[in-house]
Amino acid sequence: GENVEQHPSTLSVQEGDSAVIKCTYSDSASNYFPWYKQELGKGPQLIIDIRSNVGEKKDQRIAVTLNKTAKHFSLHITETQPEDSAVYFCAASIGGAQKLVFGQGTRLTINP
Amino acid sequence: NAGVTQTPKFQVLKTGQSMTLQCAQDMNHNSMYWYRQDPGMGLRLIYYSASEGTTDKGEVPNGYNVSRLNKREFSLRLESAAPSQTSVYFCASSDRVAGAYYEQYFGPGTRLTVT
Repeated sequence: GENVEQHPSTLSVQEGDSAVIKCTYSDSASNYFPWYKQELGKGPQLIIDIRSNVGEKKDQRIAVTLNKTAKHFSLHITETQPEDSAVYFCAASIGGAQKLVFGQGTRLTINP
Repeated sequence: NAGVTQTPKFQVLKTGQSMTLQCAQDMNHNSMYWYRQDPGMGLRLIYYSASEGTTDKGEVPNGYNVSRLNKREFSLRLESAAPSQTSVYFCASSDRVAGAYYEQYFGPGTRLTVT
Protein backbone atom coordinates (compact mmCIF):
# COMPACT_ATOMS: atom_id res chain seq x y z
CA GLY A 1 0.00 0.00 0.00
CA GLU A 2 0.85 3.68 -0.06
CA ASN A 3 3.70 4.77 2.19
CA VAL A 4 4.66 8.35 3.03
CA GLU A 5 8.06 9.09 4.52
CA GLN A 6 8.67 12.48 6.16
CA HIS A 7 11.98 14.07 7.15
CA PRO A 8 13.31 15.39 9.40
CA SER A 9 11.46 14.24 12.51
CA THR A 10 12.62 17.33 14.41
CA LEU A 11 13.82 20.68 13.11
CA SER A 12 15.06 23.70 15.02
CA VAL A 13 15.67 27.03 13.29
CA GLN A 14 16.38 30.60 14.32
CA GLU A 15 13.55 33.08 14.06
CA GLY A 16 13.62 34.70 10.66
CA ASP A 17 15.36 31.78 8.95
CA SER A 18 13.68 29.34 6.56
CA ALA A 19 12.49 25.82 7.31
CA VAL A 20 12.08 22.97 4.83
CA ILE A 21 10.29 19.68 5.43
CA LYS A 22 10.40 16.89 2.84
CA CYS A 23 8.13 13.95 2.07
CA THR A 24 8.27 11.06 -0.36
CA TYR A 25 5.38 8.85 -1.41
CA SER A 26 5.17 5.47 -3.11
CA ASP A 27 1.85 5.35 -5.02
CA SER A 28 2.13 6.96 -8.45
CA ALA A 29 -1.69 7.31 -8.49
CA SER A 30 -1.62 9.84 -5.62
CA ASN A 31 -2.83 13.21 -6.88
CA TYR A 32 -3.45 15.37 -3.80
CA PHE A 33 -0.86 16.38 -1.20
CA PRO A 34 -2.00 18.42 1.82
CA TRP A 35 0.06 19.76 4.70
CA TYR A 36 -1.28 20.03 8.24
CA LYS A 37 -0.09 22.01 11.26
CA GLN A 38 -0.84 20.65 14.71
CA GLU A 39 -0.43 22.79 17.78
CA LEU A 40 -0.18 21.24 21.22
CA GLY A 41 -3.46 19.75 22.37
CA LYS A 42 -5.30 20.56 19.14
CA GLY A 43 -6.38 18.77 16.01
CA PRO A 44 -4.42 19.04 12.74
CA GLN A 45 -5.22 22.14 10.72
CA LEU A 46 -4.97 22.20 6.93
CA ILE A 47 -2.52 24.97 5.99
CA ILE A 48 -1.82 24.38 2.31
CA ASP A 49 -2.20 21.70 -0.32
CA ILE A 50 -0.98 20.95 -3.82
CA ARG A 51 -2.57 18.95 -6.59
CA SER A 52 -0.83 16.78 -9.13
CA ASN A 53 -1.30 19.19 -12.02
CA VAL A 54 0.69 21.91 -10.24
CA GLY A 55 4.43 22.05 -9.47
CA GLU A 56 4.45 24.83 -6.87
CA LYS A 57 1.97 26.78 -4.78
CA LYS A 58 2.55 29.75 -2.45
CA ASP A 59 0.50 31.33 0.30
CA GLN A 60 2.26 34.25 1.98
CA ARG A 61 5.23 32.76 3.88
CA ILE A 62 4.55 29.13 3.05
CA ALA A 63 5.08 27.29 -0.20
CA VAL A 64 4.83 23.72 -1.37
CA THR A 65 6.60 22.06 -4.28
CA LEU A 66 5.80 18.76 -5.97
CA ASN A 67 8.03 16.58 -8.12
CA LYS A 68 5.82 13.81 -9.49
CA THR A 69 8.64 12.09 -11.34
CA ALA A 70 10.68 11.69 -8.17
CA LYS A 71 7.55 11.24 -6.01
CA HIS A 72 8.47 13.85 -3.47
CA PHE A 73 7.00 17.07 -2.19
CA SER A 74 8.22 19.71 0.24
CA LEU A 75 6.96 22.44 2.56
CA HIS A 76 8.92 25.68 2.73
CA ILE A 77 8.35 28.27 5.46
CA THR A 78 10.21 31.57 5.08
CA GLU A 79 10.80 34.30 7.65
CA THR A 80 9.87 31.93 10.45
CA GLN A 81 8.13 33.28 13.54
CA PRO A 82 7.62 31.79 17.03
CA GLU A 83 3.99 30.98 16.20
CA ASP A 84 5.24 28.63 13.46
CA SER A 85 6.42 26.24 16.21
CA ALA A 86 4.23 23.13 15.91
CA VAL A 87 4.17 19.60 14.50
CA TYR A 88 3.72 19.48 10.72
CA PHE A 89 2.32 16.50 8.81
CA CYS A 90 2.39 15.80 5.11
CA ALA A 91 -0.12 13.45 3.49
CA ALA A 92 -0.84 11.86 0.12
CA SER A 93 -4.19 10.77 -1.30
CA ILE A 94 -5.05 7.13 -1.98
CA GLY A 95 -8.07 5.11 -2.99
CA GLY A 96 -9.77 7.52 -5.34
CA ALA A 97 -8.54 10.52 -3.34
CA GLN A 98 -11.04 10.27 -0.48
CA LYS A 99 -8.43 8.76 1.84
CA LEU A 100 -5.10 10.12 2.99
CA VAL A 101 -1.90 8.47 4.20
CA PHE A 102 0.12 10.64 6.59
CA GLY A 103 3.80 11.05 7.18
CA GLN A 104 5.22 10.58 10.65
CA GLY A 105 5.34 14.30 11.45
CA THR A 106 8.04 16.96 11.97
CA ARG A 107 8.32 18.88 15.21
CA LEU A 108 9.42 22.39 14.23
CA THR A 109 10.84 24.68 16.90
CA ILE A 110 11.53 28.35 16.19
CA ASN A 111 14.19 29.77 18.48
CA PRO A 112 13.90 33.49 19.30
CA ASN B 1 -20.32 27.12 12.52
CA ALA B 2 -18.40 24.80 14.87
CA GLY B 3 -16.80 22.60 12.18
CA VAL B 4 -16.02 19.13 13.59
CA THR B 5 -16.79 18.48 17.25
CA GLN B 6 -15.81 15.46 19.35
CA THR B 7 -16.88 14.21 22.75
CA PRO B 8 -15.50 13.47 25.23
CA LYS B 9 -12.18 15.37 25.30
CA PHE B 10 -10.59 12.95 27.77
CA GLN B 11 -11.46 9.42 28.91
CA VAL B 12 -9.86 6.81 31.13
CA LEU B 13 -11.04 3.21 30.79
CA LYS B 14 -10.13 -0.04 32.45
CA THR B 15 -9.17 -3.00 30.27
CA GLY B 16 -12.32 -4.72 29.01
CA GLN B 17 -14.63 -1.73 29.37
CA SER B 18 -16.51 -0.37 26.38
CA MET B 19 -17.19 3.16 25.23
CA THR B 20 -18.33 5.20 22.25
CA LEU B 21 -16.56 8.27 20.91
CA GLN B 22 -18.91 10.78 19.32
CA CYS B 23 -18.23 13.02 16.32
CA ALA B 24 -20.41 15.54 14.56
CA GLN B 25 -19.83 18.00 11.71
CA ASP B 26 -21.89 20.96 10.58
CA MET B 27 -20.26 21.52 7.17
CA ASN B 28 -22.69 19.27 5.27
CA HIS B 29 -19.80 17.01 4.26
CA ASN B 30 -20.48 13.58 2.81
CA SER B 31 -17.30 11.83 4.00
CA MET B 32 -16.19 11.27 7.58
CA TYR B 33 -13.16 9.55 9.10
CA TRP B 34 -11.72 8.22 12.35
CA TYR B 35 -7.95 8.31 12.94
CA ARG B 36 -5.71 7.42 15.82
CA GLN B 37 -2.49 9.29 16.56
CA ASP B 38 0.39 7.62 18.35
CA PRO B 39 3.84 9.14 19.01
CA GLY B 40 6.13 8.92 15.99
CA MET B 41 3.49 7.26 13.80
CA GLY B 42 1.52 10.11 12.36
CA LEU B 43 -2.23 9.62 11.92
CA ARG B 44 -3.54 6.21 10.94
CA LEU B 45 -6.99 5.66 9.48
CA ILE B 46 -9.26 3.36 11.50
CA TYR B 47 -12.53 3.58 9.54
CA TYR B 48 -14.12 5.96 7.13
CA SER B 49 -17.56 6.64 5.70
CA ALA B 50 -17.71 7.88 2.12
CA SER B 51 -21.37 8.79 2.46
CA GLU B 52 -24.34 8.32 4.75
CA GLY B 53 -25.09 4.60 5.06
CA THR B 54 -21.62 3.34 4.08
CA THR B 55 -18.55 2.49 6.14
CA ASP B 56 -15.21 0.94 5.21
CA LYS B 57 -12.14 -0.28 7.06
CA GLY B 58 -8.97 1.73 7.08
CA GLU B 59 -5.43 0.75 7.99
CA VAL B 60 -6.02 -0.26 11.66
CA PRO B 61 -9.68 -1.35 12.15
CA ASN B 62 -9.19 -4.26 14.57
CA GLY B 63 -10.90 -3.72 17.94
CA TYR B 64 -13.17 -0.94 16.67
CA ASN B 65 -16.64 -0.56 15.20
CA VAL B 66 -18.28 2.50 13.68
CA SER B 67 -21.76 3.81 12.99
CA ARG B 68 -22.70 6.53 10.54
CA LEU B 69 -25.80 7.63 12.36
CA ASN B 70 -26.78 10.28 9.79
CA LYS B 71 -24.99 12.73 7.53
CA ARG B 72 -23.73 14.78 10.50
CA GLU B 73 -22.66 12.09 12.98
CA PHE B 74 -20.07 9.31 12.92
CA SER B 75 -19.33 7.35 16.10
CA LEU B 76 -16.45 5.02 17.02
CA ARG B 77 -17.01 2.19 19.48
CA LEU B 78 -14.49 0.20 21.48
CA GLU B 79 -16.28 -2.97 22.59
CA SER B 80 -13.55 -4.28 24.91
CA ALA B 81 -10.80 -1.72 25.47
CA ALA B 82 -7.16 -2.84 25.56
CA PRO B 83 -4.05 -0.90 26.68
CA SER B 84 -2.87 -0.91 23.02
CA GLN B 85 -5.83 1.35 22.26
CA THR B 86 -4.41 4.13 24.42
CA SER B 87 -4.11 6.94 21.90
CA VAL B 88 -5.48 10.27 20.74
CA TYR B 89 -8.46 9.82 18.43
CA PHE B 90 -9.37 12.32 15.76
CA CYS B 91 -12.49 12.59 13.68
CA ALA B 92 -12.42 14.37 10.31
CA SER B 93 -14.82 15.22 7.55
CA SER B 94 -14.42 16.14 3.90
CA ASP B 95 -16.23 16.78 0.68
CA ARG B 96 -15.29 16.91 -2.98
CA VAL B 97 -13.73 20.18 -4.09
CA ALA B 98 -12.60 21.26 -7.53
CA GLY B 99 -13.27 17.90 -9.14
CA ALA B 100 -11.59 14.95 -7.49
CA TYR B 101 -9.96 16.38 -4.37
CA TYR B 102 -11.11 15.99 -0.79
CA GLU B 103 -9.95 18.53 1.81
CA GLN B 104 -10.17 16.94 5.24
CA TYR B 105 -10.96 18.98 8.35
CA PHE B 106 -10.23 17.64 11.80
CA GLY B 107 -11.87 17.84 15.19
CA PRO B 108 -10.01 18.67 18.43
CA GLY B 109 -9.47 15.01 19.42
CA THR B 110 -10.25 12.64 22.29
CA ARG B 111 -7.39 11.53 24.51
CA LEU B 112 -8.08 7.96 25.65
CA THR B 113 -6.11 6.06 28.26
CA VAL B 114 -6.75 2.35 28.89
CA THR B 115 -5.29 0.98 32.12
